[in-house]
Amino acid sequence: SAVISQKPSRDICQRGTSLTIQCQVDSQVTMMFWYRQQPGQSLTLIATANQGSEATYESGFVIDKFPISRPNLTFSTLTVSNMSPEDSSIYLCSVAPGQAKNIQYFGAGTRLSVL
Amino acid sequence: DAKTTQPPSMDCAEGRAANLPCNHSTISGNEYVYWYRQIHSQGPQYIIHGLKNNETNEMASLIITEDRKSSTLILPHATLRDTAVYYCIVRRQTSYDKVIFGPGTSLSVIP
Repeated sequence: SAVISQKPSRDICQRGTSLTIQCQVDSQVTMMFWYRQQPGQSLTLIATANQGSEATYESGFVIDKFPISRPNLTFSTLTVSNMSPEDSSIYLCSVAPGQAKNIQYFGAGTRLSVL
Repeated sequence: DAKTTQPPSMDCAEGRAANLPCNHSTISGNEYVYWYRQIHSQGPQYIIHGLKNNETNEMASLIITEDRKSSTLILPHATLRDTAVYYCIVRRQTSYDKVIFGPGTSLSVIP
């Protein structure tokens, strides 16, 4: 299993500013993922972040808006840049430890409100 | 990735079995059926997965049809704490295959 800690758990931000969300895992993992969950909606994958390489973004998401860092095998950050009220969502970090069952584990998420 | 179809919502009486269906008619031979659930204000939680045989663990049972085009997640004795959104996902059993979520089924367990 994997235990994931996300910081902050929630934040209220002004439009035009940026917020960096941190994701810390209690074990080394190759694959990390960032998801967005808009109010009342399902989860949408933003990008896959592997250590030592550039993040791979899904259609509709770009690096300038959601830059990601992956400095080591236990940590990643997602920045939400130049925020607007439409960015108000829950942002979730997820990891795939790569064990036999290939279970993907999720953090509790960061609840972001943009005014 | 194969797509899945689930009913948007279901109700279940507390103590009864909850049977959540999922259709995945385009599933590939090397894709597994995974089930996750998301309780309000929490991240998704893995429940169970299987390839073609029925599976059971401490949380639930998974019944996969012989043609693998559909499956049913069974919560044998639903409690109020099982109220959540349940997601049926098909993917390969490799860390390179990310979890892609559909709308899921919102299960309400009623006292």
